[in-house]
Amino acid sequence: DAKTTQPPSMDCAEGRAANLPCNHSTISGNEYVYWYRQIHSQGPQYIIHGLKNNETNEMASLIITEDRKSSTLILPHATLRDTAVYYCIVRSNDYKLSFGAGTTVTVRA
Amino acid sequence: ETGVTQTPRHLVMGMTNKKSLKCEQHLGHNAMYWYKQSAKKPLELMFVYNFKEQTENNSVPSRFSPECPNSSHLFLHLHTLQPEDSALYLCASSQVTGNTGELFFGEGSRLTVL
Repeated sequence: DAKTTQPPSMDCAEGRAANLPCNHSTISGNEYVYWYRQIHSQGPQYIIHGLKNNETNEMASLIITEDRKSSTLILPHATLRDTAVYYCIVRSNDYKLSFGAGTTVTVRA
Repeated sequence: ETGVTQTPRHLVMGMTNKKSLKCEQHLGHNAMYWYKQSAKKPLELMFVYNFKEQTENNSVPSRFSPECPNSSHLFLHLHTLQPEDSALYLCASSQVTGNTGELFFGEGSRLTVL
């Protein structure tokens, strides 16, 4: 599996955009980038995924660099309820997802 | 509500007890998973079932025994556990198509082994 590197923690201000970086320099051409988040003591929640193109849904936007070696998850208007651990995962060629340590995001009022 | 229901939400058991965790998905998915999350550690994949067949066992000790009687139900049978097995056990399901298919997680079963 391609490994990912994320900063261990970051703070952001309520109402501002939160930009979460992820490096995945060993990603293969057909591997997808997935983002999940886990609010304290709950099960992880799917946010978004992409292959090559940028993606947007009601929760977030995903920007993938042209060489696909890194990506950024954007929460356009962070709220206090967005405080969570965010996981960037590169999906292997089967159906497993391997979670790393993620980024602990704290949204402050 | 994710469509994946886990019971019980909390379980306390002694090392000699036998108990089971149950997971049910109402999403029509074809794959189900057990993950373990210990304090301050990443999620660890334990077992994967695809179309009711076990396709992954990540070197999990035999005191954990999974069972998948049909595509909607998944059990984790527990016996002679150790205190270090105390953790949040998460069930997930997905509809696997190629190498995509997002996972939907349950709320987890918090296990404490005394």
